[in-house]
Amino acid sequence: AQKVTQAQTEISVVEKEDVTLDCVYETRDTTYYLFWYKQPPSGELVFLIRRNSFDEQNEISGRYSWNFQKSTSSFNFTITASQVVDSAVYFCALSGGPTSGTYKYIFGTGTRLKVLA
Amino acid sequence: EPEVTQTPSHQVTQMGQEVILRCVPISNHLYFYWYRQILGQKVEFLVSFYNNEISEKSEIFDDQFSVERPDGSNFTLKIRSTKLEDSAMYFCASSEAGLGSNEQFFGPGTRLTVL
Repeated sequence: AQKVTQAQTEISVVEKEDVTLDCVYETRDTTYYLFWYKQPPSGELVFLIRRNSFDEQNEISGRYSWNFQKSTSSFNFTITASQVVDSAVYFCALSGGPTSGTYKYIFGTGTRLKVLA
Repeated sequence: EPEVTQTPSHQVTQMGQEVILRCVPISNHLYFYWYRQILGQKVEFLVSFYNNEISEKSEIFDDQFSVERPDGSNFTLKIRSTKLEDSAMYFCASSEAGLGSNEQFFGPGTRLTVL
């Protein structure tokens, strides 16, 4: 079965602190895709990153970075020097491949990040 | 930049009424999806649609739900007789193809409130 676990329900940090959001996934597919989305209070889903299972290189985009480790089935997200505007709910998601034959997105339960000024 | 649009942004209805949520996918996309997010919970897959057929559906997508592509641009989700527990944000998404390599683009969502 495919599953995404975000064990951190809510995290509060003070502005300028670094924060890491954890994501652990389960899948029997050898080809799969992982995503992170941001959901601000307005409710829309804002795409942050997509990573395929064959690319384990870490990625950095400005203050955001992602650490993908297949050995531990984790795809963690770090915000460096957090800002109040980073306050949102962050979702990790998984999409399958040919083995499972399903390409729907499986979302984790989300982590609510509160950045305090 | 092309985007998925959804109307209305907020719909309020009485329990037992039928509602139709509308989506306009990105024009060259062939796969369409509906997801649901009950307030404070995770986003859940409802259904995927390709070539005028449902290609996959979840156990949430029971006989009360139906989807349709009535013309070349719209993709709709109908709930026949709404229940209080149908109150949620409904997201439409589309992708060029149905493979995992093809990113699904999400619309801004329709917030459905059932009274």
